[in-house]
Amino acid sequence: EPEVTQTPSHQVTQMGQEVILRCVPISNHLYFYWYRQILGQKVEFLVSFYNNEISEKSEIFDDQFSVERPDGSNFTLKIRSTKLEDSAMYFCASSVRGEGGYTFGSGTRLTVV
Amino acid sequence: RKEVEQDPGPFNVPEGATVAFNCTYSNSASQSFFWYRQDCRKEPKLLMSVYSSGNEDGRFTAQLNRASQYISLLIRDSKLSDSATYLCVVIDPGGKLIFGQGTELSVKP
Repeated sequence: EPEVTQTPSHQVTQMGQEVILRCVPISNHLYFYWYRQILGQKVEFLVSFYNNEISEKSEIFDDQFSVERPDGSNFTLKIRSTKLEDSAMYFCASSVRGEGGYTFGSGTRLTVV
Repeated sequence: RKEVEQDPGPFNVPEGATVAFNCTYSNSASQSFFWYRQDCRKEPKLLMSVYSSGNEDGRFTAQLNRASQYISLLIRDSKLSDSATYLCVVIDPGGKLIFGQGTELSVKP
């Protein structure tokens, strides 16, 4: 069964450092997403990406965040200057049509110290 | 009002029990509805879509009432392996998934 692959599975970083979370969506999927889940809280939407541009972003997705699809296979989330409150599980997801059938990656656990 | 609201948990039930989860959503223009399952510290996994006519997949039955903006999930003959958090998920008109807080289920021997 096709998978969404995320790396690394766990990253520890110091406050103020930049991090890049990587995702390889399913190859024929066209819509890409980042979600995050702070421990004990619900899964929250960050950003959606289609046709090489952001289609929607949440209030959480401020100027510290950016996304990129640099080479047609990878989909990255960059946090420029991490804060303690950025500690969370970050999930990448992709879908064919953008209206269902989402597949989630296994997530990257980001710990900011 | 929260966009997607679920029963608070946890639900602790014995094996073989029937358990029902409820969910309400606030945006009447929401398009599609799902139940996801999330194991501890893992990614959400699609359990089933929810259709207006109601749908069943083995021991799992999902119902949708658009007029009441209400979604339900019924699990019959609970197994130990059903222990997880069940997430009610709605697709908003923009196409993104909106998650409920989740309801934790613990099935005991």
